[in-house]
Amino acid sequence: AQKITQTQPGMFVQEKEAVTLDCTYDTSDPSYGLFWYKQPSSGEMIFLIYQGSYDQQNATEGRYSLNFQKARKSANLVISASQLGDSAMYFCAMREGNYGGSQGNLIFGKGTKLSVKP
Amino acid sequence: DARVTQTPRHKVTEMGQEVTMRCQPILGHNTVFWYRQTMMQGLELLAYFRNRAPLDDSGMPKDRFSAEMPDATLATLKIQPSEPRDSAVYFCASGFGRDSGNTIYFGEGSWLTVV
Repeated sequence: AQKITQTQPGMFVQEKEAVTLDCTYDTSDPSYGLFWYKQPSSGEMIFLIYQGSYDQQNATEGRYSLNFQKARKSANLVISASQLGDSAMYFCAMREGNYGGSQGNLIFGKGTKLSVKP
Repeated sequence: DARVTQTPRHKVTEMGQEVTMRCQPILGHNTVFWYRQTMMQGLELLAYFRNRAPLDDSGMPKDRFSAEMPDATLATLKIQPSEPRDSAVYFCASGFGRDSGNTIYFGEGSWLTVV
């Protein structure tokens, strides 16, 4: 079974509007971390946001927020006020293991290609 | 601005040649990952190290790939002999330093083409 599922291969959003990128995960480990990365056409992997399984509040970083619904095992990324520079591939990833520690590797989803229209 | 540094950025080589990719993790990070990205398979873990010790290299073809950390500032990934199917982008990532929390940072990748 896939550990990380991103069901939207591609999405379009109008500039200045908000967009939600879906991510569901599968784990039986109570301790885990969820990550979102952006990969523009230039190829680098840019860290966006992190959510720990025991974090009480949803993570936010500027225009990025993570809608963490633990019971549903979902960790959707919300980008507010989309900009043309947000056009990229977005990957959701999970690390299982000791919370705050360095156990486990990052398991990635297949990604969602976001295109922002002017 | 601390970053993960990878060399070479681009490499074109002939089948059968040895390829060595190098990574300098962010100073203070104790965990280093090697990932491979292809269109077909997406991002796959090849190996990762904690405090320079290999923790998992099950994703790596053992007959031709090897990964090492000779010291805390250098991680290497070698392919010998290289094959066309090794053509991919190879990413190094580091994380879990005292001041980086749970963030894992990626290098810019080494784009390998084996002809």
